[in-house]
This record gives sequence, C-alpha cells and structure tokens, in this order.
Amino acid sequence: DAKTTQPNSMESNEEEPVHLPCNHSTISGTDYIHWYRQLPSQGPEYVIHGLTSNVNNRMASLAIAEDRKSSTLILHRATLRDAAVYYCILEISVGAGNMLTFGGGTRLMVKP
Amino acid sequence: KAGVTQTPRYLIKTRGQQVTLSCSPISGHRSVSWYQQTPGQGLQFLFEYFSETQRNKGNFPGRFSGRQFSNSRSEMNVSTLELGDSALYLCASSPWDRGHGYTFGSGTRLTVV
Repeated sequence: DAKTTQPNSMESNEEEPVHLPCNHSTISGTDYIHWYRQLPSQGPEYVIHGLTSNVNNRMASLAIAEDRKSSTLILHRATLRDAAVYYCILEISVGAGNMLTFGGGTRLMVKP
Repeated sequence: KAGVTQTPRYLIKTRGQQVTLSCSPISGHRSVSWYQQTPGQGLQFLFEYFSETQRNKGNFPGRFSGRQFSNSRSEMNVSTLELGDSALYLCASSPWDRGHGYTFGSGTRLTVV
C-alpha cells in the first residue's frame, strides 16, 4: 500500500509561516494527495488536496514536488487554533473504489 | 449545510456483544467510508460504500460489516466484540468518485469492557 512519512512533531511561533513536510515515495500516478487535521475527540477536518499542481485555498497552500514523491503543507500565518495533528494522506484506488491511507501525522504546536 | 452525523457519540459494550453504528452523510454525497482510529494503529480503513454497494474493504476480520441504504445513510456492525475493538470509529462522506475532499463525522467512541 502507498504510505506517507511525516515528522512526529513540529513547533511554530504564532503569526509565522509553517511548512509541514511529507514524503510519499511510493505514490502512483493517479493517487491524490490530501491533508487533514484533527483536534482531540474530533474527526479529521479537510484542509486541502491536489494531484500534480500546487493548490491554494483559504486555509493553506499545498506544494507538490515535480516527481510527486513529496509535498509540503504551508500555513501562511500560524494561529493558536492551528495547533492540531496534521495528516498527509494518499487517496488511492482499491478494487472498484477508493480509500484514504493515513500516515502517523505531525503534531503541530504553536507558541504564542 | 449539515455535516456528517454519527450516532451514538459514545458506547460501552461488553465482550461478546454486538454493536451497530450509524452515519448520515452530507446530503447529496453518495460515497461513505468507515475508519477505525486507535492509539496503537492510528487511522485504518474499514470499508467504502457507493450507491449501496461495498466497493472495497480493509484488512479487518469478517466480524466487521456494513451496509448503505438508498438515502446514502450507512451503518457498520461489529459482532462478537473483543477488547481490541475499543476505538474511535469515524465515518467520512464525499460527493462521488475520487479527487474530492472528504468530510468526516465526529466519530463514535466505542469502549469494550
């Protein structure tokens, strides 16, 4: 199965940009790259996703390497509310359907 | 619009019992998938339903089953509960085929004693 590798934890200062890296060297050409974040006792919250090109939305930016073997989630100005576990995920085709393959996630701590 | 609703939020069951969890996806979403989250194994895929058909299943024993109704609501059932089934069970819905964001529910916290 395709899998992702992320640092266990990262720390950031409030109001500063944060770059969360992810390696997915076994990605195949049709796998989508997703990022979700999760707070304690809640379900994962969608952040952003993409296939080949860089993506921007109101929450974050997703930078995808040219060979697609890695990607980076960019939070432009971290706030205390951004403290969460961030998951880099591949959406892969399995049989007739699709599934999300989760890695271990990165716990982001934001310091005031 | 309403999000993904999972019921119940918390459940305590005894070993050997069975349990049914419910998930109501976002209106118009036809794909529903289920995930198990535990501290040791993280988030693992259980199964996916699309238009009332199970399209694929993760590496879980046959005690774990599910179904989807014509209104896209889904249920999952675990029979002969074991202590190791204690987990947060999450349901996610998406509009149709791949390449769209998924919306997760808040989950059902199952404790087996």
